Amino acid sequence: AQSVTQLGSHVSVSEGALVLLRCNYSSSVPPYLFWYVQYPNQGLQLLLKYTTGATLVKGINGFEAEFKKSETSFHLTKPSAHMSDAAEYFCAVSVLASYDKVIFGPGTSLSVIP
Amino acid sequence: EPEVTQTPSHQVTQMGQEVILRCVPISNHLYFYWYRQILGQKVEFLVSFYNNEISEKSEIFDDQFSVERPDGSNFTLKIRSTKLEDSAMYFCASRPRGVGGETQYFGPGTRLLVL
Repeated sequence: AQSVTQLGSHVSVSEGALVLLRCNYSSSVPPYLFWYVQYPNQGLQLLLKYTTGATLVKGINGFEAEFKKSETSFHLTKPSAHMSDAAEYFCAVSVLASYDKVIFGPGTSLSVIP
Repeated sequence: EPEVTQTPSHQVTQMGQEVILRCVPISNHLYFYWYRQILGQKVEFLVSFYNNEISEKSEIFDDQFSVERPDGSNFTLKIRSTKLEDSAMYFCASRPRGVGGETQYFGPGTRLLVL
């Protein structure tokens, strides 16, 4: 079975500062990993994903994440936070099978301080 | 770019009433899902649907819930007799088979409030 933990339910950064949101996963087979973002009162938008190949993946809005198998981690980073990055961020894992589901972490709320 | 759509965006209902939440998945997708998110909590899997039958369901998806693909485009979630604790945001998702099949695309959600 798969599971996801996200360290820190709430993270605050100053505008222009580095954003680091932590995600660790558990999976008995090679996982597919995702970061979704949810802006207030909106749906889930895919930021980026890791399937196979290059372990550093780039997503939208300047975000990137690195898959580290040895650490079972998939941390999300952005070099310089912008006010518009304030949102809820969900790390998620799935294993591609015929009828697969996505398992979400509890989420991290990012606040950006001007 | 094709996207998953959901209607209504908001629904208020009385406890014990039936509600139907509607979704139009992306047209060439074959796998369909419902998830829910209780306010302030994480997104939880409810059910997956493929080839006109339920593939997997969570313990949340009890006999009060049902899903249906009544035609070639719609995918619905029915709650027969709503309870207060059914108040949540409900997300529909779909994915293709084959290339890109690892990614589920989510709709904007329906916010259900049970009074």
